[in-house]
Amino acid sequence: EVLLVESGGGLVQPGGSLRLSCEASGFSFSSFAVHWVRQAPGKGMEYVAAMSHDGGTTYYADSVKGRLTISRGNSKSTMNLQMVSLRREDTAVYYCTRNSGSRFMDVWGKGTTVTV
Amino acid sequence: QSVLTQPPSTSGTPGQRVTMSCSGSRSNIGINSVNWYQHLPGAAPKLLIYNNNQRPSGVPDRFSGSKSGTSASLAISGLQSGDEADYFCAAWDDSLNGYVFGTGTEVTVL
Repeated sequence: EVLLVESGGGLVQPGGSLRLSCEASGFSFSSFAVHWVRQAPGKGMEYVAAMSHDGGTTYYADSVKGRLTISRGNSKSTMNLQMVSLRREDTAVYYCTRNSGSRFMDVWGKGTTVTV
Repeated sequence: QSVLTQPPSTSGTPGQRVTMSCSGSRSNIGINSVNWYQHLPGAAPKLLIYNNNQRPSGVPDRFSGSKSGTSASLAISGLQSGDEADYFCAAWDDSLNGYVFGTGTEVTVL
């Protein structure tokens, strides 16, 4: 079964830091680009960050640039989102997702909640 | 915050057909494919439709998608109680160089 499982969410003070993790299983992790998407309370999904299959290319939304850093460890089938200088508007459920190989995300995790 | 606009809610009785729209602009829906997801509370969002009208393996043909210009639609026929969920659309945006999402439509089965 193809699975993505997020962890690391929690309650943090404004200005604080948090590190989210996503563990993948059931597929060849190193072959797929991955993304972080978040949903603030009562809001729609927001595209946050992305990394290519080999880690060579990254993307960050303007709202998080300079504060969030995406990374991946293909040997362990994991990816991370290091979050610093957190703001109240970063409060959201954070989802890790897999890129299908085309322009859509085909697998999502259940999410982990960050409260600032 | 959401770039794609969806109606907040829709409802129907079991067996009915419901539809929901997703409105965008030329830089996203106008020139890129639309994808639809079903999101049950506490669960992982599930891909329902990709490339405007394609269903992944395992998704019932009760779910169908279409696109015209800068808008797209999702239809659910033979509505079931298990279809109660939030449904959101997504597309790549060439101007933003990233994915954009809809505001979400909550489906209620009466």
